[in-house]
Amino acid sequence: EIVMTQSPATLSVSPGETATFSCRASQFVSNNLAWYQQKPGQAPRLLIYGASTGAPGIPARFSGSGYGTEFTLTISSLQSEDSAIYYCQQYDTWPPLTFGGGTKVEIK
Amino acid sequence: QVQLMQSGAEVKKPGASVRVSCQASAYSFTDYAMHWVRQAPGQSLEWMGWINIRTGATEYSQTFQDRLTITRDTSASTAYLDLSSLKFEDTAIYFCARRSVYGNLFDYWGQGTLVTVSS
Repeated sequence: EIVMTQSPATLSVSPGETATFSCRASQFVSNNLAWYQQKPGQAPRLLIYGASTGAPGIPARFSGSGYGTEFTLTISSLQSEDSAIYYCQQYDTWPPLTFGGGTKVEIK
Repeated sequence: QVQLMQSGAEVKKPGASVRVSCQASAYSFTDYAMHWVRQAPGQSLEWMGWINIRTGATEYSQTFQDRLTITRDTSASTAYLDLSSLKFEDTAIYFCARRSVYGNLFDYWGQGTLVTVSS
């Protein structure tokens, strides 16, 4: 099973600033990496797939990068509605499909 | 727009079984696989299994191998999750999620169904 590790667990950022956080895979996953946003009481929402491709309707301020085992999600010009937990998921080698533990983004 | 509508919250006793349904609308149900993912309170997401809607073939996480059954009714555009021999630690929100055309990631999710296991 591929273990996904996200860091940091919590990130506090001021509005208008940039938030950057990481996801590391225990094995090579190529670019088969997705990012989701989850707000309290809601289902996750797909943000990024293929490590760097924005899902339809996702604002351009969300961007992903990385390949292999190291990945990054960047949120530029942070807005109050970006307060959420962000999860990475690998879909390279499965079953099982696996998720990271999440990074909680708080707005200062 | 694409919607996945799940059944309502359930409260079950340990050892019982639960069925959660997921009705799809606004797309061709048989063209997309369906996965199930759960989330225990305050925890991350855990993949449970999936079903090829067209063929009915399934694959499950080894964590649930002997307790989980996923089925579908194409005439009703509905997928089902059945989990048996419930334990306290099965208390979670259960989500159905549609497989994306880009791979085994999830482009649409149901609203979630809370299953509480309590004596």
